[in-house]
Amino acid sequence: DGGITQSPKYLFRKEGQNVTLSCEQNLNHDAMYWYRQDPGQGLRLIYYSQIVNDFQKGDIAEGYSVSREKKESFPLTVTSAQKNPTAFYLCASGAGGRGEQYFGLGTRLTVT
Amino acid sequence: AQSVTQLGSHVSVSEGALVLLRCNYSSSVPPYLFWYVQYPNQGLQLLLKYTTGATLVKGINGFEAEFKKSETSFHLTKPSAHMSDAAEYFCAVNLQGGSEKLVFGKGMKLTVNP
Repeated sequence: DGGITQSPKYLFRKEGQNVTLSCEQNLNHDAMYWYRQDPGQGLRLIYYSQIVNDFQKGDIAEGYSVSREKKESFPLTVTSAQKNPTAFYLCASGAGGRGEQYFGLGTRLTVT
Repeated sequence: AQSVTQLGSHVSVSEGALVLLRCNYSSSVPPYLFWYVQYPNQGLQLLLKYTTGATLVKGINGFEAEFKKSETSFHLTKPSAHMSDAAEYFCAVNLQGGSEKLVFGKGMKLTVNP
């Protein structure tokens, strides 16, 4: 089936540890996105990539890093510099232009 | 600047009643507009979108929305709510200019009472 796969669904880490969230798509989309969702705040854009080997910061990039070495993959690393990492993280992809985005099922990260 | 406003965070309706979820946007250029639905602990699913052309847009699960330029609105409606419609709904607008970014409203949680 075509779609966006995020793994794992739940992730638990200790404070001070970096953690990487996986996002893979087989929709042949050029653009990929990472969002953070907190209750009552909607979705906030962390990073996005419109093409392989290129990515841009979104609205809340501090404490996060990404890579885009393959078209299908856009992993997000939550570093120890992120002050409030506990959240629900959503990955999306899009064909480009002004069209819609397609979302994975999300990863819920809990840092204690 | 471009933003999306969904007033309130929660709406409750009875099963069979009209569903109306409001969305207003601010944009200096013609917007592309979207409604997404999110079920608990899930990703977002596209309900419908407006790009150009007909201003009344029909989507999945009986939902529709009307783009009103004069009111800068894109309200989501469904004539008769079903229990399965209980979810969170997000309005989004495309950031024009080639950057392909969506700006989301804060979301509206819909509860459907039996």
